[in-house]
Amino acid sequence: AQTVTQSQPEMSVQEAETVTLSCTYDTSESDYYLFWYKQPPSRQMILVIRQEAYKQQNATENRFSVNFQKAAKSFSLKISDSQLGDAAMYFCARWGGGADGLTFGKGTHLIIQP
Amino acid sequence: DTGVSQNPRHKITKRGQNVTFRCDPISEHNRLYWYRQTLGQGPEFLTYFQNEAQLEKSRLLSDRFSAERPKGSFSTLEIQRTEQGDSAMYLCASSPGGVSEQYFGPGTRLTVT
Repeated sequence: AQTVTQSQPEMSVQEAETVTLSCTYDTSESDYYLFWYKQPPSRQMILVIRQEAYKQQNATENRFSVNFQKAAKSFSLKISDSQLGDAAMYFCARWGGGADGLTFGKGTHLIIQP
Repeated sequence: DTGVSQNPRHKITKRGQNVTFRCDPISEHNRLYWYRQTLGQGPEFLTYFQNEAQLEKSRLLSDRFSAERPKGSFSTLEIQRTEQGDSAMYLCASSPGGVSEQYFGPGTRLTVT
């Protein structure tokens, strides 16, 4: 079974600090896609960043970057200069690229301390 | 607003009743997905449409669940004879195909009493 594991149910960080959210996954495929989605309270899920497994270079989107370790099946998200608006549930997800849907982890609740 | 829309946003029903949810994807997105999210969990995949064809169904989609996407536009998800365990947020997502990201709607929160 393809699984995604987020071992941190909750993380707290001071505003303007850096925080790293962990994610590991299990897959038997060589080509796949990894995502981090953000789900603010009572609001819809939005994409934060994506990584194609065939790319060695880590993806970066402004203050968000990933550390993709394919051999270790690890895909962590680093948020730099944390802002109050970053407070949300963060979900790591994997997609095989075919007719299957995304496989999500259980999420990490990120709290930003002012 | 050209995002994914879902209706209703909230539904309260009594056990044993049938309910139907609607999803309107982003225009011209040919891929449509349904997910279920329970409290404290990540979304779980239910089913996938490419245009009007339902190409994949999760084992979570029991016989009481049925989904349609007539003409490849909006989609409906029906739950017959609802049970308390069906209480969840039902999410719809669409994508334009290829390896593009999925865009999520706001969800329909179902409460079965």
